[in-house]
Amino acid sequence: DAGVIQSPRHEVTEMGQEVTLRCKPISGHDYLFWYRQTMMRGLELLIYFNNNVPIDDSGMPEDRFSAKMPNASFSTLKIQPSEPRDSAVYFCASSLAGVRGPQHFGDGTRLSIL
Amino acid sequence: GDSVTQMEGPVTLSEEACLTINCTYTATGYPSLFWYVQYPGEGLQLLLKATKADDKGSNKGFEATYRKETTSFHLEKGSVQVSDSAVYFCALSDGGSRLTFGEGTQLTVNP
Repeated sequence: DAGVIQSPRHEVTEMGQEVTLRCKPISGHDYLFWYRQTMMRGLELLIYFNNNVPIDDSGMPEDRFSAKMPNASFSTLKIQPSEPRDSAVYFCASSLAGVRGPQHFGDGTRLSIL
Repeated sequence: GDSVTQMEGPVTLSEEACLTINCTYTATGYPSLFWYVQYPGEGLQLLLKATKADDKGSNKGFEATYRKETTSFHLEKGSVQVSDSAVYFCALSDGGSRLTFGEGTQLTVNP
């Protein structure tokens, strides 16, 4: 079975540009999570969805960040405008029946903002 | 709120050495506990889990026992291999829809 698929794997862009990260969760999973990982702050939960509806976005750093899940098989995380401090690895994860079931992570998108 | 505290790293061991990575937690109620592993350039993978007190999770030679009395879930392996080099994360779920992660412990195993 295919796991969580993220694209692109690497993204390098200049500050001020719009960045869109994409995620395809495991088929049938009803929860989707977006995380950010940096050396300084570790692993941070940004937002999560249940049945395509955002449940908790309290981890989203600021209004420059937005996330959508238009259907059960696709989600995007957008940064506009991007800043150098947004450089990090962004992970998407999905799970079935909340967190009693384990979360399955994608391989991440390594984002560098110059 | 919930929190997870992991033993600080990095940890460097020789092949076939014994491993213990300490993890303690603070939570209300009866959380589920997890260990995740992250290999270089990859996402986190579930290594093992325990859902109630005294449960022992095990996988790939790793073990961890849910100790309610000490609020701990220490990760152990009797003989590590070079291929075990990775970052290990302890995490808990309080029954809600999110995980609380520890800071991660970098393990390096030398031949």
